[in-house]
Amino acid sequence: LAKTTQPISMDSYEGQEVNITCSHNNIATNDYITWYQQFPSQGPRFIIQGYKTKVTNEVASLFIPADRKSSTLSLPRVSLSDTAVYYCLVAPGYSSASKIIFGSGTRLSIRP
Amino acid sequence: SQTIHQWPATLVQPVGSPLSLECTVEGTSNPNLYWYRQAAGRGLQLLFYSVGIGQISSEVPQNLSASRPQDRQFILSSKKLLLSDSGFYLCAWSAFGTDINYGYTFGSGTRLTVV
Repeated sequence: LAKTTQPISMDSYEGQEVNITCSHNNIATNDYITWYQQFPSQGPRFIIQGYKTKVTNEVASLFIPADRKSSTLSLPRVSLSDTAVYYCLVAPGYSSASKIIFGSGTRLSIRP
Repeated sequence: SQTIHQWPATLVQPVGSPLSLECTVEGTSNPNLYWYRQAAGRGLQLLFYSVGIGQISSEVPQNLSASRPQDRQFILSSKKLLLSDSGFYLCAWSAFGTDINYGYTFGSGTRLTVV
């Protein structure tokens, strides 16, 4: 499984756009990139998933360059409620690999 | 739709007592099932995963065990709890298929405090 590297923490302010980058240099051809959000005392929640180029949904965008060795989660106009830990996960989308291993995540703090 | 149930939400147990945490999944068949533990302020540690009934793989040698008696049921157990078993335990599932948006879905977690 591809190892991921993220910043340990980030700070921003309400209304700003936040970009969190994840490095995954040994990503495999059949790997997808998925981002999760976790609030204290809750399980991680799926945010967005992509394979290449750009994916956008109602809460975030995911940018993946052509070499796929990194990805950037973009949160537009963050609010205080976006304060959470964000995990980048690289794993086969449908899988013969059975286990998933999360990295340490990025602790995002949003200030008024 | 698929749902995952995990209980209890919180648990306080004395050292040396047994443990049983249960996780069930609805709305899918033959899911991969996982148990994770998260210490306070830390990341997720994979404890066990299962690809089918009776098939359990352990990632970390420890005081815990897991069982999968039914396709959509995953149980985490201990015969004698240690203080170090305290933490936030999460169950998760994933499914094979062409719909990659399944991703991995987590339960709401169990906060275990061993005293």
